[in-house]
Amino acid sequence: EVQLSESGGDLVQPGGSLRLSCAASGFFFYSYAMAWVRQAPGKGLEWVSTIGGGGGATYYAESVKGRFTVSRDNSANIVYLQMSSLRPEDTALYYCARGDTMIVVTAGAFDPWGLGTQVTVSS
Amino acid sequence: QSVLTQPPSASGTPGQRVIISCSGSSSNIGNNYVYWYQQFPGTAPKLLIEKNDQRPSGVPDRFSGSKSGTSASLAISGLRSDDEGDYYCAAWDDNLSGSYVFGPGTRVTVL
Repeated sequence: EVQLSESGGDLVQPGGSLRLSCAASGFFFYSYAMAWVRQAPGKGLEWVSTIGGGGGATYYAESVKGRFTVSRDNSANIVYLQMSSLRPEDTALYYCARGDTMIVVTAGAFDPWGLGTQVTVSS
Repeated sequence: QSVLTQPPSASGTPGQRVIISCSGSSSNIGNNYVYWYQQFPGTAPKLLIEKNDQRPSGVPDRFSGSKSGTSASLAISGLRSDDEGDYYCAAWDDNLSGSYVFGPGTRVTVL
């Protein structure tokens, strides 16, 4: 069974940093791009970042570019989201999801999704 | 503000057909596949339609997707009370060196 499990969410002060992890199991991890999507309280879905299966290709939303870094460890089946210079507007439930191919720009079908990890940015 | 436009709400009675529209531009829907996601309150989103009109395994054939030009739509036939939830369209956008965009979502209510 394909499973994704996010962790690392916390309450952090503005300007702070946080690293999220997403542990994957049940599939050949290297063969799939992985995405991060967030949802602010009461709001819609917002794509954050996608990383290709090999880890070399990364894409980011304009709202996080230069502040967030996505990476993956294919030997441990984990994808990470390093977040820095956090702002109150980064407060959200962060989901990781599997893309349907290993190439980022063709990996448009996100399935499945994890349950999410909560990030709260507040003083 | 999303580059994809969806109506904020849609409704119907049990058994009816509901159609949700998603409007974009040549840089997203016009040149890329459209995806639809279903989300119930307090749960993670679920892929409903991929590549414009394909249903992943396990998705009932009551759900169908279509695309024409820079617009797409999701149809729910035989509406059921457990279809109540939020529905999002999404697509890759060729602007800004590539980004994935979601529509604002449509809340479906079964009357």
